[in-house]
Amino acid sequence: SQQGEEDPQALSIQEGENATMNCSYKTSINNLQWYRQNSGRGLVHLILIRSNEREKHSGRLRVTLDTSKKSSSLLITASRAADTASYFCATDDGGSYIPTFGRGTSLIVHP
Amino acid sequence: DVKVTQSSRYLVKRTGEKVFLECVQDMDHENMFWYRQDPGLGLRLIYFSYDVKMKEKGDIPEGYSVSREKKERFSLILESASTNQTSMYLCASSQPDRTSGGYTFGSGTRLTVV
Repeated sequence: SQQGEEDPQALSIQEGENATMNCSYKTSINNLQWYRQNSGRGLVHLILIRSNEREKHSGRLRVTLDTSKKSSSLLITASRAADTASYFCATDDGGSYIPTFGRGTSLIVHP
Repeated sequence: DVKVTQSSRYLVKRTGEKVFLECVQDMDHENMFWYRQDPGLGLRLIYFSYDVKMKEKGDIPEGYSVSREKKERFSLILESASTNQTSMYLCASSQPDRTSGGYTFGSGTRLTVV
């Protein structure tokens, strides 16, 4: 099964700034998902974007998908200290819908 | 509020013990999953189930087994716990339609094997 790879591994910004995280994958997909994990807790689903979609919004979150480059980005606008967490992308391998998770981006937002 | 509940947040077991990790969901989801999460390795799929009494191996099933006797409950079993099974274990469930929505995760069980 393929694994998405997030970049950067760690990101440190000030409150109010935008945070951008990227995810690259290797084979064709059915959909790509982004999750957030607060320290020591379970993952929370943020957004699912299908392979025929290019952009989705949810509140301060914007996700883009470029299937030609096999990459996705998650943008958090006007970040807050409460956005401090690890962010994971999850991709399936196109043959099944079982997603596999990357190693995550650790985001720290300083108040 | 929909929920996936894992029975323990923290667990300490001795090497060689048989360990049961329980997961219950109240969303009538058909699909349930067990992952382990280790620093630097991300989440790795251990086992999953699409229906009652049905199970499929994930990427790292060795040393584990599962049981799904009822739709809402998916148990992970460590037949003989070893120190390399010290990890965070995450249970998740999802909608029957695999193309919609995402996974709902439990809060995790941090297992330490001594």
